[in-house]
Amino acid sequence: GIQVEQSPPDLILQEGANSTLRCNFSDSVNNLQWFHQNPWGQLINLFYIPSGTKQNGRLSATTVATERYSLLYISSSQTTDSGVYFCAVRGVGGGSEKLVFGKGTKLTVNP
Amino acid sequence: GAVVSQHPSRVICKSGTSVKIECRSLDFQATTMFWYRQFPKQSLMLMATSNEGSKATYEQGVEKDKFLINHASLTLSTLTVTSAHPEDSSFYICSASRSHLTSTYNEQFFGPGTRLTVL
Repeated sequence: GIQVEQSPPDLILQEGANSTLRCNFSDSVNNLQWFHQNPWGQLINLFYIPSGTKQNGRLSATTVATERYSLLYISSSQTTDSGVYFCAVRGVGGGSEKLVFGKGTKLTVNP
Repeated sequence: GAVVSQHPSRVICKSGTSVKIECRSLDFQATTMFWYRQFPKQSLMLMATSNEGSKATYEQGVEKDKFLINHASLTLSTLTVTSAHPEDSSFYICSASRSHLTSTYNEQFFGPGTRLTVL
């Protein structure tokens, strides 16, 4: 099946810094979603981005489907950005809607 | 829009009892719902895919008789952990699939999770 790798596994920043999280996937996808899991366990949808670039406030994401990677940019980080960021993809074909998750990037933003 | 709820948020039970967890899509209809399990500091592990009105599709290694899934309506799926044991203690998360506004493919939205502790 499709493999998803996220890097880095851990990231520690000072408030105000910028960061880039990466998601590599091993096969063609027709769905890619970025999530933020907060300290209480809730997964929050950040982006639905199988291709192209999107921006939402301080966050933006780019997926280059032909090269099988996606990037999540966080600018001017805040302590509330702390948590785990997951990338999840749905491979082309197979008929199933299920998402395959990466292992996540744990982000800690210090004041 | 696209709100998914789970109930209960936390449950503690004795070994041998059964526990039912509800997952509801509050403002949309979901033909497909998913159940995940997450261990501390790990990623989400898909347990099963639940389609309204049909039997759930379980992932390899997930015991069908242990984890009973029912998807009786377009807004409700339930997961019942039968004869729970301490090793079933975990964080269980559901998601519901909704068509994306600008795509032919669906987007998943997640519930807040249920923390199960079996004593």
